[in-house]
Amino acid sequence: QSALTQPASVSGSPGQSITISCTGTSSDVGGYKYVSWYQQHPAKAPKLIIYQVSNRPSGVSNRFSGSKSGNTASLTISGLQAEDEAHYYCNSYTSSSTRVFGGGTKLTVL
Amino acid sequence: QVQLVESGGGVVQPGRSLRLSCAASGFTFRNYGMHWVRQAPGEGLEWVALIWYDESSRYYADSVKGRFTISRDNSKNTLYLQMNSLRAEDTAVYYCARDRDSSAWDSFDYWGQGTLVTVSS
Repeated sequence: QSALTQPASVSGSPGQSITISCTGTSSDVGGYKYVSWYQQHPAKAPKLIIYQVSNRPSGVSNRFSGSKSGNTASLTISGLQAEDEAHYYCNSYTSSSTRVFGGGTKLTVL
Repeated sequence: QVQLVESGGGVVQPGRSLRLSCAASGFTFRNYGMHWVRQAPGEGLEWVALIWYDESSRYYADSVKGRFTISRDNSKNTLYLQMNSLRAEDTAVYYCARDRDSSAWDSFDYWGQGTLVTVSS
């Protein structure tokens, strides 16, 4: 159960777009549609922002979008805002019927 | 509204046991798969365990397999995590989370506020 690979940090200026990658294997990210993304602000519980690769829950801004190609999933945030500064985690269903998170990415809005 | 409230955390010595609870409200608990997820201080999220809506299947992370047991009481709308043989590396905030799917295939759409477990002598 190795963690999915995410960049440790990304940054962008307000109004710009950024993309966070999440790389796994054919036994997790590449093999299933059950890839999700979570936003976590300091001292808060995580919040679901993308499910099943590219779907947004009700109430989540359409500035957040998800995609997948092969064994790599991606989260794109467009029109960066100060409130987007947070940690972001990907998660995938695995061939063992377990779940695995990425190591997390800290987004800094410059 | 959906609410998940964890309890049972605290300070425990290595090798001892602890049971966490997660009280659910605002939705039909028996229809949803549930998870435990933990986060060590200053670290990322780690998935711990899942249980199907009817308790027919349970799965665990390798790091806790054989030591932790997930269970639920659908009559009490409560999820549990029995933690035995605790180690220092089990120190973390433990979150319960609801799955969008009854068989816990999908994503974690609601989370509790977490309960802190500290394993220390």
